[in-house]
Amino acid sequence: GAVVSQHPSWVICKSGTSVKIECRSLDFQATTMFWYRQFPKQSLMLMATSNEGSKATYEQGVEKDKFLINHASLTLSTLTVTSAHPEDSSFYICSARSMQGPPGELFFGEGSRLTVL
Amino acid sequence: RKEVEQDPGPFNVPEGATVAFNCTYSNSASQSFFWYRQDCRKEPKLLMSVYSSGNEDGRFTAQLNRASQYISLLIRDSKLSDSATYLCVVNKGYSTLTFGKGTMLLVSP
Repeated sequence: GAVVSQHPSWVICKSGTSVKIECRSLDFQATTMFWYRQFPKQSLMLMATSNEGSKATYEQGVEKDKFLINHASLTLSTLTVTSAHPEDSSFYICSARSMQGPPGELFFGEGSRLTVL
Repeated sequence: RKEVEQDPGPFNVPEGATVAFNCTYSNSASQSFFWYRQDCRKEPKLLMSVYSSGNEDGRFTAQLNRASQYISLLIRDSKLSDSATYLCVVNKGYSTLTFGKGTMLLVSP
């Protein structure tokens, strides 16, 4: 099946720093990728839809200036958490849809666990 | 009413048991439905799609009831490896998936 790779898996940073998370589709091209956040014992919450070559579409309540998304190529999307604070600590997961798969099937990256001290 | 609701569990069952999960959704315009499985601290993975006529994949059976707006997942002959959180997922449009909080299943020896 399609493979989506996410890096880094774990990151610990000091409050106020910025953290970049990469999401790559390894064996297919993804014009659209999705970024989710999951707090403990909570469901995945869609943060934004990343579109190759254009601006991301953010969900209501998600600050676009804080969570910068760049989708520069058909295989790479990045999420930068700017000026991170402890409340940003969470599990961030990206996903992409392969045109070969059934409608609605998303392939997820392994996730990035962010801890802000 | 939440868009997608599931009983969080946990459901504790012995090996070999049959267990069923239900999930309700609020948007009657929802188009397609899925069950994903998420292991602890891992990413979700598609378990199976849910078709209107119901469908089966080995020990797993999924059913959809559009009139009552719920879907179900039945697991027969539970294995230890089935222990995970099962996410009910509803698709309202192109790739716009809404996830439930998940139902935790614990299968014990």
